[in-house]
Amino acid sequence: EPEVTQTPSHQVTQMGQEVILRCVPISNHLYFYWYRQILGQKVEFLVSFYNNEISEKSEIFDDQFSVERPDGSNFTLKIRSTKLEDSAMYFCASRPDRAIYGYTFGSGTRLTVV
Amino acid sequence: GENVEQHPSTLSVQEGDSAVIKCTYSDSASNYFPWYKQELGKRPQLIIDIRSNVGEKKDQRIAVTLNKTAKHFSLHITETQPEDSAVYFCAAQGGSQGNLIFGKGTKLSVKP
Repeated sequence: EPEVTQTPSHQVTQMGQEVILRCVPISNHLYFYWYRQILGQKVEFLVSFYNNEISEKSEIFDDQFSVERPDGSNFTLKIRSTKLEDSAMYFCASRPDRAIYGYTFGSGTRLTVV
Repeated sequence: GENVEQHPSTLSVQEGDSAVIKCTYSDSASNYFPWYKQELGKRPQLIIDIRSNVGEKKDQRIAVTLNKTAKHFSLHITETQPEDSAVYFCAAQGGSQGNLIFGKGTKLSVKP
């Protein structure tokens, strides 16, 4: 069964540093998403991406966040200057097209900011 | 925007009993309602879902009901087993981009 792949599985970074989280969505999927989950809390929507641009973003997705699909296969989330409160599990997800409900989630990247 | 409320936050049952988790949503445009099971440190795993044109759906020991008028939907697990112990999240999906809005989760503990 096709999978959404995320790397790295765990990243530790110092406060103020930039991090890039990487995702490889399923190849024929068209909609891509980033979600985050702070430990012990609910999964929160960050951003959706379609047709090479951001289609919707939440209040969490402020100017320190950006997304990119640099080469037609990878989908990245960049945090420019990490804060302690950015520590969370970040999940990438994708789905085939607008008519298809439901997602495939990646296995997540645990980001720890120290 | 959409808001999803989930109750209870914790639920403890004896093995073999039933478990019911309830969610309400605010946006009448939401049209897809998945339920996810999440084990510690793992990704959310879809266990069952329901679309807005259906009132009930069942898959073996798991069922979901949807009341669009009241804007609430529920997960029912019968004959619970210890391996059902996990955090369960409901979600609502709608809008042109299909973003999922999650509830806060229910930690289900099934005691042998």
